[in-house]
Amino acid sequence: DSGVTQTPKHLITATGQRVTLRCSPRSGDLSVYWYQQSLDQGLQFLIQYYNGEERAKGNILERFSAQQFPDLHSELNLSSLELGDSALYFCASSVDGNSPLHFGNGTRLTVT
Amino acid sequence: LAKTTQPISMDSYEGQEVNITCSHNNIATNDYITWYQQFPSQGPRFIIQGYKTKVTNEVASLFIPADRKSSTLSLPRVSLSDTAVYYCLVGLYNNNDMRFGAGTRLTVKP
Repeated sequence: DSGVTQTPKHLITATGQRVTLRCSPRSGDLSVYWYQQSLDQGLQFLIQYYNGEERAKGNILERFSAQQFPDLHSELNLSSLELGDSALYFCASSVDGNSPLHFGNGTRLTVT
Repeated sequence: LAKTTQPISMDSYEGQEVNITCSHNNIATNDYITWYQQFPSQGPRFIIQGYKTKVTNEVASLFIPADRKSSTLSLPRVSLSDTAVYYCLVGLYNNNDMRFGAGTRLTVKP
């Protein structure tokens, strides 16, 4: 158990809809990262937050947004969903910006 | 941006030692090298991290030559449960260099 909790585990929704994925980092970790992994694809880095502030941005679409709250949990919002957004979305956390990442077990999003 | 190159796939047999090499020719002075393991439908799991020379923990060893342009993950006496994708990641986490490559799909056969 990595200590990183992601909810929900599964999400099925229709095209055009909006969903929110939630991540609770390991106790004491200040940094949160979001990754997208499509079927048989690699991990695509989306965005990183550190102690509530955006630290780095990767291949995140404009339809996607995220934030990290004062209690350090994070939410990834996906809007105007398309079939191609179907993927596993992973959250990871680390103590600071230089420590190894600890991943949750992901949220599997299916857009129909 | 420190780009990494790994073999796409490797096969091994139970009980053998497996060495997976990652090339990172443009590694920066402050970059660390980190390896992760991922099983299907699970999040990657941290295996080992190093900066130079050799690092060993209870599951693996990491060998880094003096020029740091490559690194080798060594898994001693693999078992069927070591079948997974292994990712090499190079860089600092507080900038934009936390991008994973394609990884190496290791298949351990009985």
